[in-house]
Amino acid sequence: GENVEQHPSTLSVQEGDSAVIKCTYSDSASNYFPWYKQELGKGPQLIIDIRSNVGEKKDQRIAVTLNKTAKHFSLHITETQPEDSAVYFCAPRNNYGQNFVFGPGTRLSVLP
Amino acid sequence: NAGVTQTPKFRVLKTGQSMTLLCAQDMNHEYMYWYRQDPGMGLRLIHYSVGEGTTAKGEVPDGYNVSRLKKQNFLLGLESAAPSQTSVYFCATQTGTLVNTEAFFGQGTRLTVV
Repeated sequence: GENVEQHPSTLSVQEGDSAVIKCTYSDSASNYFPWYKQELGKGPQLIIDIRSNVGEKKDQRIAVTLNKTAKHFSLHITETQPEDSAVYFCAPRNNYGQNFVFGPGTRLSVLP
Repeated sequence: NAGVTQTPKFRVLKTGQSMTLLCAQDMNHEYMYWYRQDPGMGLRLIHYSVGEGTTAKGEVPDGYNVSRLKKQNFLLGLESAAPSQTSVYFCATQTGTLVNTEAFFGQGTRLTVV
């Protein structure tokens, strides 16, 4: 099965700085690479995703980059704000897999 | 349009008691999942279903049973609760088409077994 790791496990940044979270995976057949954000007391929610035919995708302050050769993809958050404080999960997936395997999560704290 | 609704939101059980968690969705999604989330452990898949009448084991299925008698409902049962099952439980759904898409999560059920 898919082995998924995230680094770092915790990250603290000053408001306005950038944050980068990396997700590494083992299944070379993975072709869908989403990032989920979980706020305190809530279920995870998709914030951005990318497919294997694209190397980078941006949506306002967040972006995802993919390196299929090295089997990792990263979440980039620029101009961080206090409301970005949350736990972030990656969940790479292939077409024949029927279940979602999530990474262990990264806790981001944005300090005012 | 409620999306994914979990019932109950909180529950305290005594060791050995049984209970059923209900996940209901109104998005006509084929795939449904049950996860548990423990501090520092991320989300671990318990059981999942790829359609009405089907179920399959995930990463941590022991001590749990599931049923998908109706497409819109996915039930998670604990026959004899143990303190190790104290956790927050999340249900998720996905369309189930060949093209991977977003998973939608419920708000969670916080279960404490004493």
